[in-house]
Amino acid sequence: KAGVTQTPRYLIKTRGQQVTLSCSPISGHRSVSWYQQTPGQGLQFLFEYFSETQRNKGNFPGRFSGRQFSNSRSEMNVSTLELGDSALYLCASSSSLTPGQGDRSPLHFGNGTRLTVT
Amino acid sequence: AQSVTQPDIHITVSEGASLELRCNYSYGATPYLFWYVQSPGQGLQLLLKYFSGDTLVQGIKGFEAEFKRSQSSFNLRKPSVHWSDAAEYFCAVGAETQGAQKLVFGQGTRLTINP
Repeated sequence: KAGVTQTPRYLIKTRGQQVTLSCSPISGHRSVSWYQQTPGQGLQFLFEYFSETQRNKGNFPGRFSGRQFSNSRSEMNVSTLELGDSALYLCASSSSLTPGQGDRSPLHFGNGTRLTVT
Repeated sequence: AQSVTQPDIHITVSEGASLELRCNYSYGATPYLFWYVQSPGQGLQLLLKYFSGDTLVQGIKGFEAEFKRSQSSFNLRKPSVHWSDAAEYFCAVGAETQGAQKLVFGQGTRLTINP
């Protein structure tokens, strides 16, 4: 079974631009979560989608948004890029069928998209 | 809200030596606890997880972890490390009320192996 696939692996953007990152979950997984990893803040939860609905959202500004398609693939978008948005963006999927309280389906991570904002 | 502390930023051990990586969490109710490993340029790989029951959990690659509620700890151990274990290790906590998808991670411990 193929793992979580993230594209592209690397991106270089200029401040003020916007960017879209893509994530294909493990086949059969319907829950997709996004995390940002930076040297200063570490790993931080961005949001989670299940069946095309955002279930959870982290503490990030509205410039960060996401969506999920009917085939469970997900995209995240960052508008008006800032230098501080430079990070490794990790997507993770889980086999959860009933996400939420008591759900124990662990996250399976992709290799990430390295975004550099200049 | 949950929080996780990994007190050791960097640990160096010799190949064949034993290893213990520390993790302390803060959460008032029953935590979901995880250890992940990240090699350079890679994503995170799940080593092991704890939800309830037996407090000693076995994971992949010969790792184990012990949940100690009284100490709010979930330390990772391996009896004999291999050079391929050099990587960054992350402890994470989730809330039973929210499920295992929304995790709070520690800052990580970078493990270096001396030959």
